[in-house]
Amino acid sequence: NAGVTQTPKFRILKIGQSMTLQCTQDMNHNYMYWYRQDPGMGLKLIYYSVGAGITDKGEVPNGYNVSRSTTEDFPLRLELAAPSQTSVYFCASSRERGRPQFFGPGTRLTVL
Amino acid sequence: AQKITQTQPGMFVQEKEAVTLDCTYDTSDPSYGLFWYKQPSSGEMIFLIYQGSYDQQNATEGRYSLNFQKARKSANLVISASQLGDSAMYFCAMSARPNAGGTSYGKLTFGQGTILTVHP
Repeated sequence: NAGVTQTPKFRILKIGQSMTLQCTQDMNHNYMYWYRQDPGMGLKLIYYSVGAGITDKGEVPNGYNVSRSTTEDFPLRLELAAPSQTSVYFCASSRERGRPQFFGPGTRLTVL
Repeated sequence: AQKITQTQPGMFVQEKEAVTLDCTYDTSDPSYGLFWYKQPSSGEMIFLIYQGSYDQQNATEGRYSLNFQKARKSANLVISASQLGDSAMYFCAMSARPNAGGTSYGKLTFGQGTILTVHP
């Protein structure tokens, strides 16, 4: 099993550009999450999903959007990129709420 | 609301010795999970160990054990026989469990992390 995969690994955006961060898991987990990690900090939740077709906002959702059309995929969309969105983005999945979350390798995004 | 506190910004340990990384937490959820993750310099987040709030025994996974003291709201990570490859950032985290109610939907709340350096 590949677990949780994320693409791309690195990306540089100009202010105002948009992009989609891809996340796929092959563990048949219902719960999926997007976090961002700023330098020297823990992770903050952007959006989460409890199953296909069901998503909701986390702590820091502004400037992002998500969709969940299948169990496996949970893409994160950045619209009108801003320097404040420079961060490392992690996707994670979990079998159920409160159980261990397994993380993808992360996407390092720089907005200039 | 949940809060995780890791009071040790950095820790040093000699290779082959044991080390304890401190974690205290605060929550109003009656049922919750506690987790430790390792983040090496390469950046990935690696799940190490899990403790449920109603588990009777402390969790162990190989060289990792979780010293869970519910009354003191602490969940310290003990690494035995440290290895050079253990040098990394370590995060303590918690999440509400399914029967906790509320709408946290399993969000992980992280501490600020502890950088562990293992010396040869």
